[in-house]
Amino acid sequence: SQELEQSPQSLIVQEGKNLTINCTSSKTLYGLYWYKQKYGEGLIFLMMLQKGGEEKSHEKITAKLDEKKQQSSLHITASQPSHAGIYLCGADTGGYQKVTFGTGTKLQVIP
Amino acid sequence: DADVTQTPRNRITKTGKRIMLECSQTKGHDRMYWYRQDPGLGLQLIYYSFDVKDINKGEISDGYSVSRQAQAKFSLSLESAIPNQTALYFCATSASGSLDTQYFGPGTRLTVL
Repeated sequence: SQELEQSPQSLIVQEGKNLTINCTSSKTLYGLYWYKQKYGEGLIFLMMLQKGGEEKSHEKITAKLDEKKQQSSLHITASQPSHAGIYLCGADTGGYQKVTFGTGTKLQVIP
Repeated sequence: DADVTQTPRNRITKTGKRIMLECSQTKGHDRMYWYRQDPGLGLQLIYYSFDVKDINKGEISDGYSVSRQAQAKFSLSLESAIPNQTALYFCATSASGSLDTQYFGPGTRLTVL
């Protein structure tokens, strides 16, 4: 089955700093999703990437899917306390929307 | 109102009890999913349904069953709850066709004593 590894598992940054979260797959990704989860709550969709080399941005969050479509990075610029939460990547490897999720990256932003 | 709702939001039950978690959506999506989330394990797919007559097992279906009562409703049952089914359960929906995002409900926190 598809295996997704996220790194780091947890991250503590000072407000205003930039940070990057990585999601690596052992297989080609047909679709790569990024979600944010506040502790104990539901998942909020951030972005979906499909094409190799594709890059999308939303406010201060940018995500990119590499050319080989096996790794994605999520970059937050000038982090704020509101960015705190768990970031999950999800991958669709067959185009059937059976999404496999990574284990998540827990982000804390210290004021 | 939320597009995807789950009831109950929290439930504490005892080993051996039958439990039903319900999910309703107003997005008009054909596809619905049930996931469980355990600390450090991400989300694991339990069951998914691509339309009312289509039900499929996910990665961890043992001990669970589902019912797709209508396009908008997808319920998850634990026939005889056990403590290792204590987790956060999420329902999700998506449109059919080409790749589309999944929309998640707020989750049900289930504790089995």
